[in-house]
Amino acid sequence: AQSVTQLDSHVSVSEGTPVLLRCNYSSSYSPSLFWYVQHPNKGLQLLLKYTSAATLVKGINGFEAEFKKSETSFHLTKPSAHMSDAAEYFCVVSEFSSNDYKLSFGAGTTVTVRA
Amino acid sequence: KAGVTQTPRYLIKTRGQQVTLSCSPISGHRSVSWYQQTPGQGLQFLFEYFSETQRNKGNFPGRFSGRQFSNSRSEMNVSTLELGDSALYLCASSLDPKGRRNTDTQYFGPGTRLTVL
Repeated sequence: AQSVTQLDSHVSVSEGTPVLLRCNYSSSYSPSLFWYVQHPNKGLQLLLKYTSAATLVKGINGFEAEFKKSETSFHLTKPSAHMSDAAEYFCVVSEFSSNDYKLSFGAGTTVTVRA
Repeated sequence: KAGVTQTPRYLIKTRGQQVTLSCSPISGHRSVSWYQQTPGQGLQFLFEYFSETQRNKGNFPGRFSGRQFSNSRSEMNVSTLELGDSALYLCASSLDPKGRRNTDTQYFGPGTRLTVL
């Protein structure tokens, strides 16, 4: 069984300050993990993904995430928030075993950036 | 390379009608998945198509159906629309590399906003 928990439904930061979006997962097998961003009335855009290579993953727009197996976490960070980072962020877990391919989405974290 | 395209972008229907949504995947992508996004339920998986066959299915009633054509384009159909079907319907495509499906990345289209009155 797998599940994804995004620990914050809403995060508010000031422009220029760090952003931290927290994600915990549970998985019976070695998962692949993704972060997607969704701007209003848009589809989901891939920020980064972890696929059992380096545990620190760098993505687009200055985002990065660290896979910590011992903590079953995959938190997303950015050192300095920009107004354009205001959006909804989804943590996604993918795992494939036998003939079953499953993709699970977190509930999402809405990021607000204050000027 | 062009991204995933979905048509139409917006749709208004009334209860009891049926609707067909279209998705064109990224060139070379063989897998197409459909998702329903609502404020209350979040993102929910509808189904996935590969080589014109439904490979996976989520927990939705039979009113929701889909198909995939030989060029990988996909359509989704909802019959006998209900108010609760109002949602953003997202299509995603992926390469589906053999033996590496667990690392496969899905690329999403902009979605079709369906409003049922």
